[in-house]
Amino acid sequence: AQSVSQHNHHVILSEAASLELGCNYSYGGTVNLFWYVQYPGQHLQLLLKYFSGDPLVKGIKGFEAEFIKSKFSFNLRKPSVQWSDTAEYFCAVYNTNAGKSTFGDGTTLTVKP
Amino acid sequence: SAVISQKPSRDICQRGTSLTIQCQVDSQVTMMFWYRQQPGQSLTLIATANQGSEATYESGFVIDKFPISRPNLTFSTLTVSNMSPEDSSIYLCSAQDASRAGTDTQYFGPGTRLTVL
Repeated sequence: AQSVSQHNHHVILSEAASLELGCNYSYGGTVNLFWYVQYPGQHLQLLLKYFSGDPLVKGIKGFEAEFIKSKFSFNLRKPSVQWSDTAEYFCAVYNTNAGKSTFGDGTTLTVKP
Repeated sequence: SAVISQKPSRDICQRGTSLTIQCQVDSQVTMMFWYRQQPGQSLTLIATANQGSEATYESGFVIDKFPISRPNLTFSTLTVSNMSPEDSSIYLCSAQDASRAGTDTQYFGPGTRLTVL
């Protein structure tokens, strides 16, 4: 069965610190990879996605993620976080054969002003 | 992108009753999904709502408990039947237009927060 593992449940950073959230998945077939974000009181929205091509993808608000196929990883990064980045972040893997997504447990990011 | 609305946004229900949650998408989509999100936990897929056919349920979820309708390409309902306190959760509707290549992005509704007493 497909699974997604997010390494950190809760990350606390100060503003301007760099961020890296880990995501690993277990599935050997073709996948599409996503990071979703859920800001407090808001619904889930897409942060960035990888389908094919350049393994380094850029998303909204200065976020980027790198797909490393050999490591089954899709880590999310941001060089300098802001207080407004406080949110919950979910990594998701879409199995193109099964036609459905599997989500990680989420990482709560708290950025202190 | 797709904009998704859900009704109700929240409800408090008595044990043994049923609640139907509605999900409306502002455009036609091929696939709609229903998820459950327990506080502080990830999203668990309940079922895929297929237009014109029975929903496809994930392990641990059954049609008698979570009947789903998908009458057209923009609308779906999820009913939580014979509720118990364990059904208290946030229920999320999601839509995806898989008819176009490279568009596996899912869009989510705001969720329905259900509390069962």
